[in-house]
Amino acid sequence: AQSVAQPEDQVNVAEGNPLTVKCTYSVSGNPYLFWYVQYPNRGLQFLLKYITGDNLVKGSYGFEAEFNKSQTSFHLKKPSALVSDSALYFCAVRVPSGNTPLVFGKGTRLSVIA
Amino acid sequence: GAVVSQHPSWVICKSGTSVKIECRSLDFQATTMFWYRQFPKQSLMLMATSNEGSKATYEQGVEKDKFLINHASLTLSTLTVTSAHPEDSSFYICSATGTFNTGELFFGEGSRLTVL
Repeated sequence: AQSVAQPEDQVNVAEGNPLTVKCTYSVSGNPYLFWYVQYPNRGLQFLLKYITGDNLVKGSYGFEAEFNKSQTSFHLKKPSALVSDSALYFCAVRVPSGNTPLVFGKGTRLSVIA
Repeated sequence: GAVVSQHPSWVICKSGTSVKIECRSLDFQATTMFWYRQFPKQSLMLMATSNEGSKATYEQGVEKDKFLINHASLTLSTLTVTSAHPEDSSFYICSATGTFNTGELFFGEGSRLTVL
């Protein structure tokens, strides 16, 4: 069975500094990997995905993530954090076989301090 | 991108009543829909998977008689919380995928259920 680990419950970063939100996964075969962001009482907003190809994936709002197969990681990064980036971030994995669901990590709360 | 609409956004009901939440794909045919539940400050837990025209497949521990899922058309799935109790209060989110092969699921905005 697939699983996702987000080791940090909370990440604090100063505005303008780079940010990293960590994610590791466990899945049989080649995974589909995703990052979503959630603001309070809202649904999920898609940030980026890795399906195949270039390991460095660029997404919405200046975010990017790097797929590292040997370390089974898919860390989310942004060169310069904004206060408006403060939200709950979810890493998710999906088995690329049929119509399978996303399996989510527990989420990491990002707080960007002005 | 594909749009999924969920309604209602907020619902408050009395204990013992039933509540229906709708999930619609607005610009694509959703062959499969997934229902998730999210407790405060926690992750999304998959409740069930529904394929159009078939009975839903429920995850272990999810009561199928309490959480009735219908996916009668390619654009609509409904989740009915029957005889709701305060412990059913939660944020329910649907997601959908179609025949396209982009890999991602498309999510509704979620429905906040509060049972008094």
